[in-house]
Amino acid sequence: GDSVTQMEGPVTLSEEAFLTINCTYTATGYPSLFWYVQYPGEGLQLLLKATKADDKGSNKGFEATYRKETTSFHLEKGSVQVSDSAVYFCALYSSASKIIFGSGTRLSIRP
Amino acid sequence: DGGITQSPKYLFRKEGQNVTLSCEQNLNHDAMYWYRQDPGQGLRLIYYSQIVNDFQKGDIAEGYSVSREKKESFPLTVTSAQKNPTAFYLCASSVQGGTEAFFGQGTRLTVV
Repeated sequence: GDSVTQMEGPVTLSEEAFLTINCTYTATGYPSLFWYVQYPGEGLQLLLKATKADDKGSNKGFEATYRKETTSFHLEKGSVQVSDSAVYFCALYSSASKIIFGSGTRLSIRP
Repeated sequence: DGGITQSPKYLFRKEGQNVTLSCEQNLNHDAMYWYRQDPGQGLRLIYYSQIVNDFQKGDIAEGYSVSREKKESFPLTVTSAQKNPTAFYLCASSVQGGTEAFFGQGTRLTVV
């Protein structure tokens, strides 16, 4: 079945460092891909999305590109801030009409 | 404001009791989902529904039940058959066809 694998955490970086969180997927066809963010004690918020190959999703300085050839959707940000500390989830919309999430990556940014 | 509302935010129950978690949305979304999140874990799908009066089991449906009598509402009942019900429960909704999901704020259930 469809699945999402993302980088194990936690990830700890200093403020203004470059961030990459890896995400790869297994799916039938070309699913829509998403990154969500979760702050402590809250639900998930959509961070960005891409619906077809080579699409680049971007929001709040974060970017991810839908790579069909490597079945990947890695999240990047050029300069992280303390306020970016959260848990990040990669997800896809599967052929079975359900949303499948990766295990999440906890990101902590040191001032 | 449009959104998805889960209630209550915190819920305590004694072991052996059934409990129902509420999820309401006014986004006119057809699809609704229930996920369970354990500390430090990802989201696991319990049940999902693509249309009123129809729903499908997710990966961990045992010990849970749902209904979808109205488009706006998708309540989840945690039954006494669920062996380890203490968790954070998240409800979500989406437009049909691969678009993003909108999440509620979650209900933290503690069974003592």
